[in-house]
Amino acid sequence: EPEVTQTPSHQVTQMGQEVILRCVPISNHLYFYWYRQILGQKVEFLVSFYNNEISEKSEIFDDQFSVERPDGSNFTLKIRSTKLEDSAMYFCASSEAQRSYGYTFGSGTRLTVV
Amino acid sequence: TQLLEQSPQFLSIQEGENLTVYCNSSSVFSSLQWYRQEPGEGPVLLVTVVTGGEVKKLKRLTFQFGDARKDSSLHITAAQPGDTGLYLCAGGVHSGYALNFGKGTSLLVTP
Repeated sequence: EPEVTQTPSHQVTQMGQEVILRCVPISNHLYFYWYRQILGQKVEFLVSFYNNEISEKSEIFDDQFSVERPDGSNFTLKIRSTKLEDSAMYFCASSEAQRSYGYTFGSGTRLTVV
Repeated sequence: TQLLEQSPQFLSIQEGENLTVYCNSSSVFSSLQWYRQEPGEGPVLLVTVVTGGEVKKLKRLTFQFGDARKDSSLHITAAQPGDTGLYLCAGGVHSGYALNFGKGTSLLVTP
């Protein structure tokens, strides 16, 4: 079964450093997403991406965050200057169609900011 | 942000019992999805419901979308230890791309 692949599975970084989280969505999917889950809390939407541009972003997705699809297969989330409160599981997801259809989520990247 | 309330928060039952978990909101959703999440893993889609009153069955799991598309339920018949996990509901709206997740129901099924 097709799957969404995320790397790395764990990332530890120092506060203020930049991190790039990588995702390979399912090849025929057109919509791509990043979500995060702080330990013990609910899954929260960060951003959606379609047709090479951001289609929607949440209040969490401020200027320190950016997304890119550099080569038609990878989908990346960059956090420019990490803060302690950025520590969370970051999930990439993709879907064939918008909204009414389910997503396929990756296994996540656990980001720890120290 | 449309809030989704899931109940109960925790549920511990014995193998063979039936259970129902609920997902409620004051908002109308264009679709509602149920996911199951294991510790340290991403959510795995179980079902999507889009029509008010819709009922979908997945083996021993029965999902229902409320007539007004504000609530949903998941019923498990004859629960098995393999059903243990965190069950999440997530709603989408016509005007947006985001899914709003509930906090989940943590289910433990003991042999």
